[in-house]
Amino acid sequence: LAKTTQPISMDSYEGQEVNITCSHNNIATNDYITWYQQFPSQGPRFIIQGYKTKVTNEVASLFIPADRKSSTLSLPRVSLSDTAVYYCLVGDLGKLIFGQGTELSVKP
Amino acid sequence: DAGVTQSPTHLIKTRGQQVTLRCSPKSGHDTVSWYQQALGQGPQFIFQYYEEEERQRGNFPDRFSGHQFPNYSSELNVNALLLGDSALYLCASSSGTGTPEAFFGQGTRLTVV
Repeated sequence: LAKTTQPISMDSYEGQEVNITCSHNNIATNDYITWYQQFPSQGPRFIIQGYKTKVTNEVASLFIPADRKSSTLSLPRVSLSDTAVYYCLVGDLGKLIFGQGTELSVKP
Repeated sequence: DAGVTQSPTHLIKTRGQQVTLRCSPKSGHDTVSWYQQALGQGPQFIFQYYEEEERQRGNFPDRFSGHQFPNYSSELNVNALLLGDSALYLCASSSGTGTPEAFFGQGTRLTVV
């Protein structure tokens, strides 16, 4: 299973766009890239998933370059409620392998 | 439509005891996975059940076992509890047809004293 590397923490201010980049150099051809959000004492929540190029939903955008060795989660105009841990996962859907995640802190 | 429900929400056990945690998947989901999350760490995959059988397993000892019932609900059993088993135990459900989203429950906070 491909290993992911992402920043341990990031700080932002309300209203800003936040971009969290994840490295996955040994991603396999069949692997998808999935991002989850987790608040304290809650289970992770699915944000977005993609295979290549760009995916956008009502919550976020996911940018994946052609070589797929990295991906960037983009959160537009963050608010205080976006303070959470964000996990980047690569692999099949059955066995989710979580890393340390990125702890995003949004300040007023 | 109820999401993934887990019970109990909190539990305190003594070292050496056994514990059973329960999970009801989201309506329409047939696959249940269990995760252990220690404080400050990401969730670690324990195992996954589909069609009442263990389909995949993570790097956990045999003290961790599970079961899936015909209605797709599942149990996680841990025997001979150790202090290190204290964690948040998360259940996730998904569809066996491979939809991208796994829905997680709120978890069971297990404390071993």
